[in-house]
Amino acid sequence: ETGVTQTPRHLVMGMTNKKSLKCEQHLGHNAMYWYKQSAKKPLELMFVYNFKEQTENNSVPSRFSPECPNSSHLFLHLHTLQPEDSALYLCASSQVGGRAHETQYFGPGTRLLVL
Amino acid sequence: KQEVTQIPAALSVPEGENLVLNCSFTDSAIYNLQWFRQDPGKGLTSLLLIQSSQREQTSGRLNASLDKSSGRSTLYIAASQPGDSATYLCAVTGLGNTGKLIFGQGTTLQVKP
Repeated sequence: ETGVTQTPRHLVMGMTNKKSLKCEQHLGHNAMYWYKQSAKKPLELMFVYNFKEQTENNSVPSRFSPECPNSSHLFLHLHTLQPEDSALYLCASSQVGGRAHETQYFGPGTRLLVL
Repeated sequence: KQEVTQIPAALSVPEGENLVLNCSFTDSAIYNLQWFRQDPGKGLTSLLLIQSSQREQTSGRLNASLDKSSGRSTLYIAASQPGDSATYLCAVTGLGNTGKLIFGQGTTLQVKP
């Protein structure tokens, strides 16, 4: 256990569905991240939140909508996804001091299948 | 644009062997480099973090080196064990240190008993 939990662990959804992924960190960190891990591609950063403010959007399509209500929780709202969005979605958290990001701690991921 | 490459993509060795995993990056202007381990169906676990001013870091049987000028890092695993079987990922952070990690595709290691 890394102190970062993600729910659900597995999700199957149709292209017209709306669903949300949840991430919670119990480490007292102030930065949270969403990553996408597709087969045959390197793990890609999607979003970064520092102190609940989004500081990085890595050109992610608008069908992915992040929400960070507080430093401990991070959501990824999904709507009208495409089959190529099927992947493992990983959440991570870290401590930010000044502009320095410490080691990131990862959750177990949500395995998403879009039909 | 920073690109990270890991060679080999897969490696199978008998138990007890010493082995080296390689990571290269195209832009030497990095803040730090990290090695992670990922077990099947699970998240990542940080193994070693090397700051740009450092040459190596050690943790138990693991030793990671960094040659920033040549854009290379190696992860050395001594006396490999079946429990070391996993995918090993290398990632770099740019000088701005915005928290953005750029990952390689990983090396999948199998250690046979």
